[in-house]
Amino acid sequence: AQTVTQSQPEMSVQEAETVTLSCTYDTSESDYYLFWYKQPPSRQMILVIRQEAYKQQNATENRFSVNFQKAAKSFSLKISDSQLGDAAMYFCAYRSTNFGNEKLTFGTGTRLTIIP
Amino acid sequence: EAGVTQSPTHLIKTRGQQATLRCSPISGHTSVYWYQQALGLGLQFLLWYDEGEERNRGNFPPRFSGRQFPNYSSELNVNALELEDSALYLCASSLVPDRGHDYGYTFGSGTRLTVV
Repeated sequence: AQTVTQSQPEMSVQEAETVTLSCTYDTSESDYYLFWYKQPPSRQMILVIRQEAYKQQNATENRFSVNFQKAAKSFSLKISDSQLGDAAMYFCAYRSTNFGNEKLTFGTGTRLTIIP
Repeated sequence: EAGVTQSPTHLIKTRGQQATLRCSPISGHTSVYWYQQALGLGLQFLLWYDEGEERNRGNFPPRFSGRQFPNYSSELNVNALELEDSALYLCASSLVPDRGHDYGYTFGSGTRLTVV
């Protein structure tokens, strides 16, 4: 079974600065997907960024980028130019590509606070 | 386009009672996933339905059950409620997963179940 670990329950960053959220995972599979989701107070999970394991290039979405280290099973999220609207819970998630096992496995989350 | 809708938003039940939670997926999505988000535990996978069939189940007791209707909406039933069932229940929908392809998930805003 796969596991996802987020070791930082809480993080804070000054507005306009850069912050990195950590995530490690454990799997015996060679092909899979990794995600970062954001959960604001509205409770809806919003996809921030997605990485396909077979792609060596790190995914980027505007101010959000990842550092994907497959051998180390590490998947960190970097938020540049932090904005007040980035304040939320951030969850790292894993998805198998094995048919019938496509559920998302989540970490316990990191609460990000933006300091004005 | 309407997103994933869940009802009710909040639900208060007494221990031992039954709770029914509902989810309407995005139009065209045939797969519905249910997750439990208890405080401090991240999201735990409950159930996956596709084309009216249960495709996968998480590590939860049988008193957690559900079904999917011909219009792809879904119902989650929790029988013999226990205090520890108090949590946010999130529903997500997607196109049916293809081997090796991720179509992405869209989450609803959840039902907050409180058992007293």
